[in-house]
Amino acid sequence: AQSVAQPEDQVNVAEGNPLTVKCTYSVSGNPYLFWYVQYPNRGLQFLLKYITGDNLVKGSYGFEAEFNKSQTSFHLKKPSALVSDSALYFCAVRGPFRVTGGGNKLTFGTGTQLKVEL
Amino acid sequence: DAGVTQSPTHLIKTRGQQVTLRCSPKSGHDTVSWYQQALGQGPQFIFQYYEEEERQRGNFPDRFSGHQFPNYSSELNVNALLLGDSALYLCASSEGQTNTGELFFGEGSRLTVL
Repeated sequence: AQSVAQPEDQVNVAEGNPLTVKCTYSVSGNPYLFWYVQYPNRGLQFLLKYITGDNLVKGSYGFEAEFNKSQTSFHLKKPSALVSDSALYFCAVRGPFRVTGGGNKLTFGTGTQLKVEL
Repeated sequence: DAGVTQSPTHLIKTRGQQVTLRCSPKSGHDTVSWYQQALGQGPQFIFQYYEEEERQRGNFPDRFSGHQFPNYSSELNVNALLLGDSALYLCASSEGQTNTGELFFGEGSRLTVL
């Protein structure tokens, strides 16, 4: 079974400071990793993904994430936080597709609330 | 280019009733997945439809059923509603069952069961 852990329920950062939102995963085979953001009463918006290749992935709105296979982590980062970044962030993992099923569903973490203050 | 659209956006039902939620995928997408997001939780996978068949199913009872139409749109049906079914129901679409790309989500249908 695949799983994702987001150890922090909330992360508080001052505007202009760097931010990190942590994620660790467990999956059989090569992982496909994703970050999504959710604003209040809205659906999920895609930020970035890791499929293969460079361990540092760049995404929307200045976000990036670092894939670390040995630590099974995929932390979300941004060099300089903005108040408008305040939202709920979800890490998700998907395993490789299998004909018998179970491979390409997304499994989400419980989410991390990011609060950026002036 | 319209993204994923869901209807209705909000609805209130009472215990024991039945509900149908609808989803139109993003243009060019043929695979639809449904997720349930309870308050304060991450989305949980319900099932996925491709070529008008249920291809995968999460840990949800048979009260949850679905359908995909030839135009790739989809419905989620929940029978015998329980208070615990209150949640945001998210539809997500993608191109092909095996692709490695991201899922595109709709804004969701918020169901309240009284």
